Amino acid sequence: ETGVTQSPTHLIKTRGQQVTLRCSSQSGHNTVSWYQQALGQGPQFIFQYYREEENGRGNFPPRFSGLQFPNYSSELNVNALELDDSALYLCASSLGVGQPQHFGDGTRLSIL
Amino acid sequence: RKEVEQDPGPFNVPEGATVAFNCTYSNSASQSFFWYRQDCRKEPKLLMSVYSSGNEDGRFTAQLNRASQYISLLIRDSKLSDSATYLCVVNGGSSASKIIFGSGTRLSIRP
Repeated sequence: ETGVTQSPTHLIKTRGQQVTLRCSSQSGHNTVSWYQQALGQGPQFIFQYYREEENGRGNFPPRFSGLQFPNYSSELNVNALELDDSALYLCASSLGVGQPQHFGDGTRLSIL
Repeated sequence: RKEVEQDPGPFNVPEGATVAFNCTYSNSASQSFFWYRQDCRKEPKLLMSVYSSGNEDGRFTAQLNRASQYISLLIRDSKLSDSATYLCVVNGGSSASKIIFGSGTRLSIRP
């Protein structure tokens, strides 16, 4: 059974650029959630996708957007990058909404 | 008031001690609850789900108190390997998910 995988592991961008982060969900999981984690903080919920539809969103601006594909993999897109977007971005998948989530290793994004 | 609150610690306890953490939440409609542990610079790993009746997994016991809106985690006979940050997670429920992590409680077990 393959766990949750994220790519890339590290990324450096400059202010104003755009970025796409990718996540492959664990086999059999149809729900994917994305989180932003700043140093010393708990993960902050960005949004969740269930069967290709957005199923909940946290307090993030519209420049944070996402997609889920028919195979339940997912992308997180961030436009007009700001310095404060520097963080660890975590993807988690689960068997369904409200079920325990399993996390990938994350993507460390640094904005210069 | 934060939607989910945890004592940030750090808790520094000797090996073999029993330690307990609480996590309070503000949304009474919350439906599912979990504890995760996170090691330094690693991803969170599911420790256990929290059920209304309380549940135990080896040295770990989780409880939910809906009336007072908190969940708890008890670790008995603590090991050095239990040193980590413990995160509580509350799922706001309803048709749109709103998943809220606490900011974590740091635990350090000393020999």
